[in-house]
Amino acid sequence: DAKTTQPPSMDCAEGRAANLPCNHSTISGNEYVYWYRQIHSQGPQYIIHGLKNNETNEMASLIITEDRKSSTLILPHATLRDTAVYYCLLVGAGSYQLTFGKGTKLSVIP
Amino acid sequence: SAVISQKPSRDICQRGTSLTIQCQVDSQVTMMFWYRQQPGQSLTLIATANQGSEATYESGFVIDKFPISRPNLTFSTLTVSNMSPEDSSIYLCSVRDRDARTEAFFGQGTRLTVV
Repeated sequence: DAKTTQPPSMDCAEGRAANLPCNHSTISGNEYVYWYRQIHSQGPQYIIHGLKNNETNEMASLIITEDRKSSTLILPHATLRDTAVYYCLLVGAGSYQLTFGKGTKLSVIP
Repeated sequence: SAVISQKPSRDICQRGTSLTIQCQVDSQVTMMFWYRQQPGQSLTLIATANQGSEATYESGFVIDKFPISRPNLTFSTLTVSNMSPEDSSIYLCSVRDRDARTEAFFGQGTRLTVV
């Protein structure tokens, strides 16, 4: 699976939108973009994934650029409970393992 | 979705001893994995637990140190053998179906401290 690049840390004010970027310039055509988060002392939690189109669910929105070389995870109204490490991963259609990078530590500030 | 139960949730062990971690899933799943998360680090895949056959280990991990069993589609164990303080980590079980369009689920992890 190709690699991703994320900023090591970000701050966001409570109630504001948190926009977490991810670069994946060497993404292959069959690779999905996945986002997980890990709240302190817990196992990672799935957030959202997409292939080409933008996606939205009850937790977040995923915006993938047209060339698929980068994406942004949007938490529309960040709360203190969203403080976590957010991981952007690429998963090929024929792959089963997940390869985690260092992720972005998001701190939501009151 | 899948609910994963890992036991124990934490343990403090003496160096030179072994600890077996259990992972129980509430439904049959195709793929089961074991990860290690060292303090302050990201997750690293140890191995894929294969039902009825030997696990598939990632580079840097060997069966003698991390023997894995998977007797059926809902249960797996990971043993950390001959422990040293460097083995102090969180060990996580994860499950997933073969379809890349599905998400993976993780247990809450086992926090191991070796003294």
